[in-house]
Amino acid sequence: AQSVTQLGSHVSVSEGALVLLRCNYSSSVPPYLFWYVQYPNQGLQLLLKYTSAATLVKGINGFEAEFKKSETSFHLTKPSAHMSDAAEYFCAVSDQGGFQKLVFGTGTRLLVSP
Amino acid sequence: NAGVTQTPKFQVLKTGQSMTLQCAQDMNHNSMYWYRQDPGMGLRLIYYSASEGTTDKGEVPNGYNVSRLNKREFSLRLESAAPSQTSVYFCASSELRDIFYEQYFGPGTRLTVT
Repeated sequence: AQSVTQLGSHVSVSEGALVLLRCNYSSSVPPYLFWYVQYPNQGLQLLLKYTSAATLVKGINGFEAEFKKSETSFHLTKPSAHMSDAAEYFCAVSDQGGFQKLVFGTGTRLLVSP
Repeated sequence: NAGVTQTPKFQVLKTGQSMTLQCAQDMNHNSMYWYRQDPGMGLRLIYYSASEGTTDKGEVPNGYNVSRLNKREFSLRLESAAPSQTSVYFCASSELRDIFYEQYFGPGTRLTVT
């Protein structure tokens, strides 16, 4: 069975500071990995994905994530936080191939202060 | 192009009442999903429909039924609502992009069962 662990239910940063949201996965088969963002009172939106091509993937809004198989991690980073980045972020994992169902982590709420 | 739409946006039910949550997508996607989102638990898959005419249980199907009415519509029914079903419900649809299924989410239905 696949699972995702997101460390830290809340992360607070100042505007302009580095953003680091942690995600570790467990999967018995090669995974696809995703980060989704949820703004208040909205549905989830795909931020970026790892599908076994490049291990460093870039997404929208300046976010990127690096797949590290040895550490079973897929941490999300952004060099400089913006107030508009305040949202909840979910890491998710699925099988490769066939019909893919997502298994989500519990989410990390990013708070950005001026 | 409205994407994924859900009705209603908000609903309050008494214990034992029934209701159907409606979901429709106009992107011609084959696959559709129902999730529930609870604080501290991320999103959990209730049911999914890989293609028109098929439905399958997800992680938390108890107390729910679904109908894939046609390619566009996928409804979720609560036959006898319980307080434990108080949650935010998200519908999603997906299409195959190269090698992975990108899911698109609706805005959610906030359900309270008293």
